[in-house]
Amino acid sequence: QSVLTQPPSASGTPGQRVTISCSGSSSNIGSNYVYWYQQLPGTAPKLLIYRNNQRPSGVPDRFSGSKSGTSASLAISGLRSEDEADYYCAAWDDSLSDNYVFGTGTKVTVL
Amino acid sequence: QVQLQESGPGLVKPSETLSLTCTVSGGSISSYYWSWIRQPAGKGLEWIGRIYTSGSTNYNPSLKSRVTMSVDTSKNQFSLKLSSVTAADTAVYYCARVRGAKVGATTDYGMDVWGQGTTVTVSS
Repeated sequence: QSVLTQPPSASGTPGQRVTISCSGSSSNIGSNYVYWYQQLPGTAPKLLIYRNNQRPSGVPDRFSGSKSGTSASLAISGLRSEDEADYYCAAWDDSLSDNYVFGTGTKVTVL
Repeated sequence: QVQLQESGPGLVKPSETLSLTCTVSGGSISSYYWSWIRQPAGKGLEWIGRIYTSGSTNYNPSLKSRVTMSVDTSKNQFSLKLSSVTAADTAVYYCARVRGAKVGATTDYGMDVWGQGTTVTVSS
């Protein structure tokens, strides 16, 4: 039932830049802040980006977020093997009844 | 720093009620929203709902008829009950602390601290 659409997979070699898109609508990304979460294999999700482009303490500046209209993007520069994980975008959705929606998730593979 | 730990039965029979508790340590439960999120094996994340320490709640519309959340500030715990479960409710259940607020017309909402998750299987 995800209302935020992400590509199922993305990949790159070490050192490359990888970008993940997240497409939503006016009721979620278009009007609210976007968050990004990283989920390493077998672990709980971890907050990666908040308020569209802010990094929590401890998150490397290789990770950056942006938003334009009803879409958002996560960029990973200088790709490293430890970045291999699932990435989810998310935002509050104002339609009908208040709800928090996650993206479909993107598996990043480091080749 | 704040840590969260989910607890509860790992196996629930169909049609029964799933009950989980999240214990907050290293900080106070007060003045925050707290959320439950679940993830079926091999699938994406689904927000179940949130509760404020006053007891105010919001639930995912798709689960609203079956979900009840509560908070016990004296124990620094909050809980989830999901009734009439089926195999489709089998998942890893996470509790999390919510950060953010309503900023004018814009909602700043997300989870900054997560529990490790607990697996719940619905089976007879």
